[in-house]
This record gives sequence, structure tokens and C-alpha cells, in this order.
Amino acid sequence: DAGVTQSPTHLIKTRGQQVTLRCSPKSGHDTVSWYQQALGQGPQFIFQYYEEEERQRGNFPDRFSGHQFPNYSSELNVNALLLGDSALYLCASSLQGAEEKLFFGSGTQLSVL
Amino acid sequence: QQQVKQSPQSLIVQKGGIPIINCAYENTAFDYFPWYQQFPGKGPALLIAIRPDVSEKKEGRFTISFNKSAKQFSLHIMDSQPGDSATYFCAASKEFSTLGRLYFGRGTQLTVWP
Repeated sequence: DAGVTQSPTHLIKTRGQQVTLRCSPKSGHDTVSWYQQALGQGPQFIFQYYEEEERQRGNFPDRFSGHQFPNYSSELNVNALLLGDSALYLCASSLQGAEEKLFFGSGTQLSVL
Repeated sequence: QQQVKQSPQSLIVQKGGIPIINCAYENTAFDYFPWYQQFPGKGPALLIAIRPDVSEKKEGRFTISFNKSAKQFSLHIMDSQPGDSATYFCAASKEFSTLGRLYFGRGTQLTVWP
């Protein structure tokens, strides 16, 4: 049973560019959340997708957007990249209304130069 | 504003010691308190979690102590091993099974010397 898979594992971009990160949830899960983890910090909630809609959003600008597909996979898009966007981006999946467990992928390390 | 405050930032213990990591929160609506373990290059993995209706929960060598009146909770690792060396995060959530959002502490980097 594959867990949460994310791609790519590493990415280098320059300021002003746009980036798309991808996530496949754990088998049987229907909810995908995205977190940003800056170096030496705890993960910060970006947003959550359920039934192909953004259900909750953390304190992140509109440059951060996402999408969930019918197969529950998800994408995170970041436009107009800033140096401060450099971080580990974590995708987490869960099953709506089920036991309280959130499973994380290994993340995508984004470096903005 | 940090919703969950975690201390210490780093911790070094000898093998067999009992490291203790502490967290505090302000939002009394929080009703789910998990601890996550993260190794370098990996995502956080759930260790153990507690709800505020119990004061202690044990799973293997890991114990959570919860003080609802003080709005504090802590993780104890019994008989710590070098393989426990990792970063530990406390977190909190309200209505997690429906809302699913976690507020994380800043993390504690634990080193266990052999």
C-alpha cells in the first residue's frame, strides 16, 4: 500500500517564476492538505482540498493556489516566486470523518534563487 | 501568532534517559493533540495523540501527559535510544476529523547519545 507520494523531490526556481507541485494521497484517502515547512520551523497549514474544492485556507497569499482531481490527487501552484517561498512543501492526506490520522509525504524541497 | 508553543528547541540525552518535551496552547477549542516525529529528508509521522478528556496516554515507550487546566501537554520518551534521534513536533487541532487542520509547534531536535 503506497503512502503519500510527492513529486518532484527537489526543485530550483528563480524569483518571479511559477511552480507546480504534485501529490498522490494514501490509498483510500479523500482529503489532501498542503503545509509549508521553513528550515528549523514546524509545518504551517496552506490549504485543504476535499471533494475537489478548497475547504480551508491558512494565512497564505493568493499566489498560492491548488487543485484536487477526481482521483483525489492534488497540485499546489505558487506564482511570482519570492526568496521567502524557499521551504519544504508537505502534502498530507486523510479520510474525511475517519480516525484522526494525518499521513504526510516526504515533501518537495523548493529553493528559490 | 504561534498557536502552540514548544520547548526546548533542542535536547541532548544519554541512551536510556527520559527526554521530556513540553507544549502549551491558548485556544480552549483545541480538542486533539498529536505528536509527530520527523527524520531528515522525511515528512512528519504520527507518534501518539491525546484528547483532553484523559490526563495521560502511553504507547510503547512514548507517553503524553496532559494538563487541561494549565493548557499544557508533554511528551516523555522512556528508555531513549539513538534511533529516537529526530525532530519532534507537538500539534493541536479543533474538530480534526471534519476540519483536519493542525497547528504545529516549532519543533524540538532530540539527540540521544549511545
